[in-house]
Amino acid sequence: SQKIEQNSEALNIQEGKTATLTCNYTNYSPAYLQWYRQDPGRGPVFLLLIRENEKEKRKERLKVTFDTTLKQSLFHITASQPADSATYLCALDKNGQNFVFGPGTRLSVLP
Amino acid sequence: SAVISQKPSRDICQRGTSLTIQCQVDSQVTMMFWYRQQPGQSLTLIATANQGSEATYESGFVIDKFPISRPNLTFSTLTVSNMSPEDSSIYLCSVEFGHHSYEQYFGPGTRLTVT
Repeated sequence: SQKIEQNSEALNIQEGKTATLTCNYTNYSPAYLQWYRQDPGRGPVFLLLIRENEKEKRKERLKVTFDTTLKQSLFHITASQPADSATYLCALDKNGQNFVFGPGTRLSVLP
Repeated sequence: SAVISQKPSRDICQRGTSLTIQCQVDSQVTMMFWYRQQPGQSLTLIATANQGSEATYESGFVIDKFPISRPNLTFSTLTVSNMSPEDSSIYLCSVEFGHHSYEQYFGPGTRLTVT
């Protein structure tokens, strides 16, 4: 069956460290993979999109990798700050149009 | 990006009734979507709201239960019909600008509680 998993429900890290979040998928062949941030009581906010032919993408302190062989994406936040605390969702396209979302990882950056 | 608003922001409704949620965007968009996010869960796509034609529903969602309108390129409504407590959820609209941009921008959500 088709499945998207994100490494853990919750991840606690110390301020200044690099946070690494994982998104694994089964029985999908996405051409695109996205990462979103969601704060409590708000809608998700788009962060990054990476295509299947791209290995890595960066935006400021964010870096995303996409390994179609491992069926995995890694999302890194370098020099993390307490303001980075949020739930992070990966999403992948299932038919070239619509996206399916993973369950999310709640990140807490401790001062 | 754009400003996306939803009305109401929250509501408490009795079972058996219906609620219509509005989604307004301050600029024209190509694609509009409706999602459901149940407590502690991720987002599930309900349907794609097509301008001028019937919405495209995902498996498990039907028009009789979730009728959708999209009269123009800036506005859509989702109705949750004949509600039961299982419909308690956050309902979110999202938009894409341009065909195949794939970047979705979400409204703030409507928190629905059915008693």
